[in-house]
Parts: sequence; C-alpha cells; structure tokens
Amino acid sequence: DGGITQSPKYLFRKEGQNVTLSCEQNLNHDAMYWYRQDPGQGLRLIYYSQIVNDFQKGDIAEGYSVSREKKESFPLTVTSAQKNPTAFYLCASSIQGQGFYEQYFGPGTRLTVT
Amino acid sequence: QKEVEQNSGPLSVPEGAIASLNCTYSDRGSQSFFWYRQYSGKSPELIMSIYSNGDKEDGRFTAQLNKASQYVSLLIRDSQPSDSATYLCAVNLNSGGYQKVTFGTGTKLQVIP
Repeated sequence: DGGITQSPKYLFRKEGQNVTLSCEQNLNHDAMYWYRQDPGQGLRLIYYSQIVNDFQKGDIAEGYSVSREKKESFPLTVTSAQKNPTAFYLCASSIQGQGFYEQYFGPGTRLTVT
Repeated sequence: QKEVEQNSGPLSVPEGAIASLNCTYSDRGSQSFFWYRQYSGKSPELIMSIYSNGDKEDGRFTAQLNKASQYVSLLIRDSQPSDSATYLCAVNLNSGGYQKVTFGTGTKLQVIP
C-alpha cells in the first residue's frame, strides 16, 4: 500500500530531552513537510523540503531540526530549545511543480513533554 | 490580515441539508486551493482540489472558486452525521521563491441527526 507512515503514534518525553519523530513515504513524492497542530488551532509549518539534501524553514522552525538524506524519509528532531513542544505533529508529502501541490498527510505523532 | 481566513464555527446544519463552508485568501498569485476534512484526533484528509474559477463537483461535495473575489467555498449536499468534522481550507502561496501551502484554522461542522 502506498502512503505516509509516522512513528510512534504517541510519544512521551521529559523536559530537556531531544526527541526524533519519524516520517516515511512510498508515494515517490518529491516534497515533504512537517506541521504542528495545537488544540483549536490550525496547522503551522515547521520545515519543508522540496528535494533531497535541501530544506527550508517554515513559520515556526525555532527549536526544531530536520534532515532529508533520502527521498522517502524526512525525520524531525524536537530539541530541548523548543519551549512548548507538546503538540500533534503531522508529516505530509506532495508532488511538486506546475501549480499542483496536493498534500497528503500521515497519521500524526502526538508528543507530550512533561 | 491572515493569509487564509475561515470562520471557526461551529456551523450546525440538520441532516439532509446543504452545508456551506467559506474561505478567503490574501495572495492574488495563489494557484491551488484545497479542502481537507479532519476528524477529531485524526490527521487531515484531502477531499477537494480546485485550480480554476468556477465549480468542481465530486459526489456530494462541490468546491467553488472566485479568484477575483479571492474566495473559495465548499458545499456539502445531503449532509450526514458522518460529515461532522473540522474542514480546513488551504491555499498555495509563493514564499520567497518557494511554493508552500498555507492552511486556515478550520471551520467545525456539526450535522444534527
């Protein structure tokens, strides 16, 4: 089955620890994205990548880091510098080019930091 | 002004009625427009894409785009309780030479049996 997988579904960490969220896609999409969603709020873009080995900061990149070493994978690290890391994290992917940017989402990872 | 604006709702409609969801956007250069459905606790699911002015129909869903008014809407005919969800409007914007998609905060729809 083609799709986007995120793991784990739920993640609990102590304050001060870095944590890495996994995102893998087998849709052969060029672009991948990370969003954060807080209760009652919309999606906020953290980072995005349009090709391998290249990525750009989104609107709220502070305290986060990413890598894009393979087309299929776009892991997100939430560092201890992120002041309010508890949130629902969503990974998405899309085809790029010619004005078509339909994004498809993974199931999400719910991170709780105490 | 927000880049993509939606009324947060909740919008309550009786079962079988037409639900009308609206969205406005600020960037006149936007080319692509999307509607996502998000059930509580789940990730967004793409339900409609529209790229040119006019209407696009898919089953019970109709997306309407008016670029002159910078307005996009979603109509849901014969609304069902299973349509109760938050509907996110998304628009592609040119950001520093890169294309990115910006989401509205969503409209919560409640279909009353």
